Amino acid sequence: DAGITQSPRHKVTETGTPVTLRCHQTENHRYMYWYRQDPGHGLRLIHYSYGVKDTDKGEVSDGYSVSRSKTEDFLLTLESATSSQTSVYFCAISDGEIHEETQYFGPGTRLLVL
Amino acid sequence: SQKIEQNSEALNIQEGKTATLTCNYTNYSPAYLQWYRQDPGRGPVFLLLIRENEKEKRKERLKVTFDTTLKQSLFHITASQPADSATYLCALVRGATNKLIFGTGTLLAVQP
Repeated sequence: DAGITQSPRHKVTETGTPVTLRCHQTENHRYMYWYRQDPGHGLRLIHYSYGVKDTDKGEVSDGYSVSRSKTEDFLLTLESATSSQTSVYFCAISDGEIHEETQYFGPGTRLLVL
Repeated sequence: SQKIEQNSEALNIQEGKTATLTCNYTNYSPAYLQWYRQDPGRGPVFLLLIRENEKEKRKERLKVTFDTTLKQSLFHITASQPADSATYLCALVRGATNKLIFGTGTLLAVQP
């Protein structure tokens, strides 16, 4: 998994609670991404980062926030978890030129919101 | 907005045959298109990238074509093996950004 770890790997939480997922890389790549994957929707980008403290929204960012205080760590926070946020979350990294990136994915975090 | 369509039905083929998966997109042609493989419970793994000025790209038993007129990419696995069974995703860049749009993937099952 290209030097990418995600924690936790599995989590069960209750509606309304905050949840933070962590992505850690050892590749020193500039770009980091958070995706969610749901049946019938494929991978959808939540937020991404193009450097320390530089982040931007993806297509499904509502209800999520991110932070990147170090090159190696990218945190995804569900401010108040809802059942619709039950999903598998993948972190990805890349360091290529724009338009020619290859993304390397972490193992995923399976989140269940009850 | 740009959309990607992959056959949602599983593709079942016999070992040794060639598997062909299709990726169609709408609107503008991307500068490049990528293919990934995903096994159950794991993250996608990059396989091949093809640029808009390339008609075909090969890597071992894999071949990708890119037809900007048809707005389509085909992904071929020759001499398929049961170990090739997985979901295959295509992805392309969204406009002048470094953000990828992924298709929903096609499940390939190679029967021994």
